[in-house]
Amino acid sequence: GPKVLQIPSHQIIDMGQMVTLNCDPVSNHLYFYWYKQILGQQMEFLVNFYNGKVMEKSKLFKDQFSVERPDGSYFTLKIQPTALEDSAVYFCASSPGRRSAETLYFGSGTRLTVL
Amino acid sequence: GDQVEQSPSALSLHEGTDSALRCNFTTTMRSVQWFRQNSRGSLISLFYLASGTKENGRLKSAFDSKERRYSTLHIRDAQLEDSGTYFCAATNTGANTGKLTFGHGTILRVHP
Repeated sequence: GPKVLQIPSHQIIDMGQMVTLNCDPVSNHLYFYWYKQILGQQMEFLVNFYNGKVMEKSKLFKDQFSVERPDGSYFTLKIQPTALEDSAVYFCASSPGRRSAETLYFGSGTRLTVL
Repeated sequence: GDQVEQSPSALSLHEGTDSALRCNFTTTMRSVQWFRQNSRGSLISLFYLASGTKENGRLKSAFDSKERRYSTLHIRDAQLEDSGTYFCAATNTGANTGKLTFGHGTILRVHP
């Protein structure tokens, strides 16, 4: 089936540094999302993105977070600066966007460890 | 408060048995999606439902079409490879924003 790729699978970074998480969504999809899962907890919505713009973001999407998809390349989540509480697995997802409600396809996640 | 209440939180099954997972919603939901997360963390979509039931092999899911306040996932003839964490996720928004609210998950272990 359609695959969303996330690279790398694990990143370790020092607190205060910048990190960029990369996502290669399904090729013909139009909507893109980031979700955050702290170890042992449920997945939580961060942000969605369509037509070059953030459509909706949650309280978890702090000012230090930003997303972009320059020229149809990777859909990225940038955290600058990172904090200890940003340690989590970040999942990217995409959906076709042709209908009002549809399946989201998730990547396998990037585990971010902030030291 | 939580909008998605998932039960049970953990489940242990013998191979070959049947069971059901359930998600209750504290508000009317538009659609529900069920996922299995494997030991590597990958999230696999099992079902998407806006109403009614869907079946795929030994798995069957239903979404209460009247009240839209709960969904179930039935596992028939459980196999070892069914082990993993199962999540339901629902959306209550009219337009597709992809803002899914996830349950806390059911950790399923199937043993011989």
